[in-house]
Amino acid sequence: DAGVTQSPTHLIKTRGQHVTLRCSPISGHKSVSWYQQVLGQGPQFIFQYYEKEERGRGNFPDRFSARQFPNYSSELNVNALLLGDSALYLCASSLAGSTNYGYTFGSGTRLTVV
Amino acid sequence: DQQVKQNSPSLSVQEGRISILNCDYTNSMFDYFLWYKKYPAEGPTFLISISSIKDKNEDGRFTVFLNKSAKHLSLHIVPSQPGDSAVYFCAARENTNAGKSTFGDGTTLTVKP
Repeated sequence: DAGVTQSPTHLIKTRGQHVTLRCSPISGHKSVSWYQQVLGQGPQFIFQYYEKEERGRGNFPDRFSARQFPNYSSELNVNALLLGDSALYLCASSLAGSTNYGYTFGSGTRLTVV
Repeated sequence: DQQVKQNSPSLSVQEGRISILNCDYTNSMFDYFLWYKKYPAEGPTFLISISSIKDKNEDGRFTVFLNKSAKHLSLHIVPSQPGDSAVYFCAARENTNAGKSTFGDGTTLTVKP
């Protein structure tokens, strides 16, 4: 069974550009969450989508947006990239909107902004 | 204002001994606590969780203890194995926002053969 898949695995962008990151959850999982992990820190919550609706948003600027498609895959979009957006972006999926058994994470997309 | 803190960035133990990883939190609204393990170039992997109404949960070599009055939890690994070497993240979930997990900054565990 495929786990959570994210693409691309690595990406280099220039300041001011736009980026789109993609995530496919585990088959049957209806919830997708996005996290940003800066080097040396823990993952920080950006968004959660469940059944194609936004269920939660972290403390990130409006430059960050996301959506979930009918097949439950998701995109994270970041506009007007800043150097500080350089991070590992993690996608996590679960069957339901909340789980007591943790989320399944993908391996992440490493974004470097130069 | 970091709501989940792991004050030890690293821990080194001998194979076969006990590893104890600690985590403190400040938010009284947290109702579930989770531990994840992360290897390089991989996403975090869920290990074990505990509800705020319990004080202990055990799964094989892994036991999590929760001291709600002290707002402290710990993960015990017994016996430690070299394959346990990884970064361990403590995470907490609010009862009013169950879809969001708040993570600590992680503790790097090294188990020496």
